[in-house]
Formats: sequence, C-alpha cells, structure tokens
Amino acid sequence: LAKTTQPISMDSYEGQEVNITCSHNNIATNDYITWYQQFPSQGPRFIIQGYKTKVTNEVASLFIPADRKSSTLSLPRVSLSDTAVYYCLVGDIQKSGYSTLTFGKGTMLLVSP
Amino acid sequence: GAVVSQHPSWVICKSGTSVKIECRSLDFQATTMFWYRQFPKQSLMLMATSNEGSKATYEQGVEKDKFLINHASLTLSTLTVTSAHPEDSSFYICSATGVGGTYYGYTFGSGTRLTVV
Repeated sequence: LAKTTQPISMDSYEGQEVNITCSHNNIATNDYITWYQQFPSQGPRFIIQGYKTKVTNEVASLFIPADRKSSTLSLPRVSLSDTAVYYCLVGDIQKSGYSTLTFGKGTMLLVSP
Repeated sequence: GAVVSQHPSWVICKSGTSVKIECRSLDFQATTMFWYRQFPKQSLMLMATSNEGSKATYEQGVEKDKFLINHASLTLSTLTVTSAHPEDSSFYICSATGVGGTYYGYTFGSGTRLTVV
C-alpha cells in the first residue's frame, strides 16, 4: 500500500482558497487517490476521488500531476465549517476483492474568521 | 445512496462488562466491512476486516478474543468489546464496501464513542 505524507496542520481565513498537498511516491498503477474529511466525533466523509489530471465536484477540486506521486486537494473559498481533519488515501478500489484503506496522520485545517 | 448506519453513537459502560456496536449498510450489500479505532487527536487505526460469512482478519496487536466481530449478513456487522476496561475507551468507526456501494469504494459509519468507567 502506498504511504502518504501530508502537512500536519494548516491555517486559513474565511473566503480563501486552501490547497492541501499529499505525497504518495510509491503509488501503484491501479491505485486511486481519495480524500476524506473528518469532523470531531464523526466518521470520515468522502470529498473527492481521482486517478489522474483534474477532478472537480461541487465541494472541491483534485489535481494530480502526470507522475501521480502527489496530489493536491483544493477547497475554494473556505468557511468556518470547513475546519476539520483531511485525509489523503491511496488504494486500488477496483479490485474484485477489497483494498484496505490505511489512514495517515491527516491535515488539521483551521479556518478563522 | 450507500449509507452506513452505526449504532449506538455513544455508550458508557462499567469496567468488566461487554458492549456491542452495530454497523449496517442501509442500501447496498456490504461484502466487506472494516472496523477502526481512533484515540483523541490521532488517526484511524484499522482493527480488523470482515467478509460476509467468514471469520474476521485482525490487524497485528488487536486481540481477537477481546474484540469479537461478526459479519453474518450482507447488511450487518457487529463489534463486541468483551470485558471492557478503561483503556478500551475510544472512538470506534466502521466502514463498508460492496455490491451496490459507492463508486469510490468505501462508506463510513458515524462512529461510536465508548467510555468505560
């Protein structure tokens, strides 16, 4: 399983764009990159997933360079409610069996007024 | 779609008693379920993986006789903490994947806060 490295914490202000980068140098050919958000005392919530280039949904964008050794989660115009821990995970979700998701330490994003 | 319901959301029990936590997939068949434990300000640590109808596979260091996992149906997995002690107090989270689930693979429950007094 590809190990991931993220910044431990980040600070931002309301209305700013936040970019969180995750390194995964040992990513395998079949691995997808998935980001989850976790609030205190809640289970992780899916944000976005991608394999290459760029993926965008209603809450975030995910940028993946050609070598796929890193990825960047972009949150546009954050609000106070975006204060949470963000996890980057890498794994082969297409396997007929299962691919265990291993959580790294995550990035604690603190959004201030 | 692909909702995982975890119950109870919190529980307080006396030391030495057992506690059961349920994890249900509401609208898909959860062929595989995962149980995680999370201590304050730490990441999720995988405890065990269970496939429907099979014995669970436990991660190294997790006592299988203490943390009993049952995955008898495609919609229900249970984690029973037997003879709970204060050091078992933690946040337990389940996750599921399977037929009819999400395209991104894994859906998490809302977690259970266990406090052993």
